[in-house]
Amino acid sequence: GAVVSQHPSRVICKSGTSVKIECRSLDFQATTMFWYRQFPKQSLMLMATSNEGSKATYEQGVEKDKFLINHASLTLSTLTVTSAHPEDSSFYICSALWGNQPQHFGDGTRLSIL
Amino acid sequence: GESVGLHLPTLSVQEGDNSIINCAYSNSASDYFIWYKQESGKGPQFIIDIRSNMDKRQGQRVTVLLNKTVKHLSLQIAATQPGDSAVYFCAERGGSYIPTFGRGTSLIVHP
Repeated sequence: GAVVSQHPSRVICKSGTSVKIECRSLDFQATTMFWYRQFPKQSLMLMATSNEGSKATYEQGVEKDKFLINHASLTLSTLTVTSAHPEDSSFYICSALWGNQPQHFGDGTRLSIL
Repeated sequence: GESVGLHLPTLSVQEGDNSIINCAYSNSASDYFIWYKQESGKGPQFIIDIRSNMDKRQGQRVTVLLNKTVKHLSLQIAATQPGDSAVYFCAERGGSYIPTFGRGTSLIVHP
């Protein structure tokens, strides 16, 4: 079964709306969680890395004020897309890492901004 | 910067054939490699991994081969089935725990 749960799986909303995406590790306490963005037929683009209780580390070119990440516990990280616009429409995927294991991914969130 | 890449963006095979998906990496410090399968509309799913102290690892119908001399990684799928149709990504991890993903290969299995 799934070890990382991502919710919601799909969001359709109007421009200017803020959208929150949740990522939960189900069977383990994640030392680190990652947020990715994926465009059609392309690879995963790392947006940010978050550790519980500390500020997220954003990749170059990713606006931290636009994509707010909160990692409040060892099993939950949230990504909030603030004041979303059509260009923010994409597939967002989270993953969780524990120890020296491979990271496990959620099933992604399809975000469509009208 | 260093990167992980894939030789073939699309691979078409007949059901029952064996499939080989290749990946080149350039970070000589990488010591851990992972293959993921991503079906349409879903997140990547772990398939198999291999550490740099090995050159071959087998799973159920899948084999990963690692050639550190030429920095090459491959995923072999035996008796490919229509359900194997997906995009396959290789990923590598070096000193940092943050993996780097290749651009993916789309495997199309024809019945």
